[in-house]
Amino acid sequence: DAGVTQSPTHLIKTRGQQVTLRCSPKSGHDTVSWYQQALGQGPQFIFQYYEEEERQRGNFPDRFSGHQFPNYSSELNVNALLLGDSALYLCASSLDAGYNEQFFGPGTRLTVL
Amino acid sequence: DAKTTQPPSMDCAEGRAANLPCNHSTISGNEYVYWYRQIHSQGPQYIIHGLKNNETNEMASLIITEDRKSSTLILPHATLRDTAVYYCIVRVAGWSGAGSYQLTFGKGTKLSVIP
Repeated sequence: DAGVTQSPTHLIKTRGQQVTLRCSPKSGHDTVSWYQQALGQGPQFIFQYYEEEERQRGNFPDRFSGHQFPNYSSELNVNALLLGDSALYLCASSLDAGYNEQFFGPGTRLTVL
Repeated sequence: DAKTTQPPSMDCAEGRAANLPCNHSTISGNEYVYWYRQIHSQGPQYIIHGLKNNETNEMASLIITEDRKSSTLILPHATLRDTAVYYCIVRVAGWSGAGSYQLTFGKGTKLSVIP
């Protein structure tokens, strides 16, 4: 079991550009959540996808959007990048049942210049 | 979800038990206590969770006080690889309205295991 995988590992963009990050959930998991972690802070919840729909959203602007595919993999898109979007972006997968333990991937480090 | 309070940092000698406290005095009856840890530059790792009974797994033990207002995560024999930031989170299990699926992370406790 490969666990949660994310790509790319690192990414450098400039202000105003758009970025797409990808996540493959742990085998058997049907729910994907995305988190943003700024340096020195705990992860902050962006949104969660289940059955290809956004089920819950944190306090993030509409520039952050996502998608879940039929195979449960997911993408996070960020438009009009700002310097403040520089962070580690974490994907977590879980089962939509039981205690919902979330299993995290290694993250994508985004740097906006 | 209820808020938690954790000390910002702790040290522990290698081979000794590491006891990480967490205060969650406003916890509701249907909220569980979850622990995650994050080793530098990696994604958070699930450790353990519990409702009111003490729990143990291959990684750690979780001790919850009878009034459920606080808990302690115990790593029985800390190693250098246990150096990480440990997060205590309280949340419901399953759906109970908006916000219930997310994990709300604080700043956690930075545990340093000393050789």
